[in-house]
Amino acid sequence: ELKVEQNPLFLSMQEGKNYTIYCNYSTTSDRLYWYRQDPGKSLESLFVLLSNGAVKQEGRLMASLDTKARLSTLHITAAVHDLSATYFCAVAVQGAQKLVFGQGTRLTINP
Amino acid sequence: GAVVSQHPSRVICKSGTSVKIECRSLDFQATTMFWYRQFPKKSLMLMATSNEGSKATYEQGVEKDKFLINHASLTLSTLTVTSAHPEDSSFYICSAEGLDRYGYTFGSGTRLTVV
Repeated sequence: ELKVEQNPLFLSMQEGKNYTIYCNYSTTSDRLYWYRQDPGKSLESLFVLLSNGAVKQEGRLMASLDTKARLSTLHITAAVHDLSATYFCAVAVQGAQKLVFGQGTRLTINP
Repeated sequence: GAVVSQHPSRVICKSGTSVKIECRSLDFQATTMFWYRQFPKKSLMLMATSNEGSKATYEQGVEKDKFLINHASLTLSTLTVTSAHPEDSSFYICSAEGLDRYGYTFGSGTRLTVV
């Protein structure tokens, strides 16, 4: 059974700092997703990572995937308050269409 | 881009009544849709996978007689919470496989409160 674990679960940081959120998963998969969720809202797609070594960047966010280590990272560079949200990684179950979500990382960026 | 419309966004119902939530793909055909449930400050839990023209596949522990899913067309899936109880109060989110093979588009969610 595929299990997805994120850490940290809570992260409070200052504007301008860098930090990384980690996403580990337990079985082989060919797709990993990162989503953002604002309070009371649904999910916003950030990245989809499809292959070992894949790296994608959008603004201050950069995601990478190491399929051998079953690890993805979401790196935040020079954080700004607008990035405060909950971030989820989700991993596709091999051979199936469904996703398994991590617990989410609640990110708070303080001025 | 792919858009999934979910209605209603909020609903309050009395215990014992049924509530229907609609999920529509607006600009693409979705042969497969997914229904998730999210408790406050928790992650998304997949409830069922809905395939057009066939019975939904429910995840372990999800009562299929309580959470009725219908996917009668390529653009519409519905989730009906039958005989709702306060413990069914939650945030329900649908998603559909998007225009490309790898993307999933999420609806805006429905906050259900059972009183």
